[in-house]
Amino acid sequence: DQQVKQNSPSLSVQEGRISILNCDYTNSMFDYFLWYKKYPAEGPTFLISISSIKDKNEDGRFTVFLNKSAKHLSLHIVPSQPGDSAVYFCAANAGGTSYGKLTFGQGTILTVHP
Amino acid sequence: SQTIHQWPATLVQPVGSPLSLECTVEGTSNPNLYWYRQAAGRGLQLLFYSVGIGQISSEVPQNLSASRPQDRQFILSSKKLLLSDSGFYLCAWSGKLAGGQETQYFGPGTRLLVL
Repeated sequence: DQQVKQNSPSLSVQEGRISILNCDYTNSMFDYFLWYKKYPAEGPTFLISISSIKDKNEDGRFTVFLNKSAKHLSLHIVPSQPGDSAVYFCAANAGGTSYGKLTFGQGTILTVHP
Repeated sequence: SQTIHQWPATLVQPVGSPLSLECTVEGTSNPNLYWYRQAAGRGLQLLFYSVGIGQISSEVPQNLSASRPQDRQFILSSKKLLLSDSGFYLCAWSGKLAGGQETQYFGPGTRLLVL
């Protein structure tokens, strides 16, 4: 049972435009969400997180939106840069923290074209 | 600052051989530690996590085991590798960033190929 789903395996965007990566979850106990960026043969790098008490969190070019009623979150990257090309994973946890089991989506490959 | 190390970076092993992957964390004490696996073309799957020395929780029944002999050392092992054990193994620890956001920090990973 895939509790966290990233339904778009890949996304292609022009440099300078907005990239929107989507993630859906089914477990209503999830209340803490994270986005990671991963390059091939490297460990994931943390980007941004959001608690379920918020519906938006911003950090520089990255903004995460959470729609609890729809069990949906999205990561917006504005403006997109070629260096953003990587695999992006969303992850979710219960208990309001990142401690314990993170459940990951399958990942979305983002390609930003110059 | 905290750092996390994994070795080896790459490993090619025959089916039926034993396995030992090591992870160490520096710059923090009593961290929660995790082992994940990323199979080809798939997301990350939690295998084990540990909240302290000698305390291991297994998430998925499998051919692997984990041990935590020291506070900042986490070891992933197998007595006999299977072809299906091939993948990218990642160690992680839980921590809080200066701005208050909590996250899991990942090591560089070990690519295991079982032939």
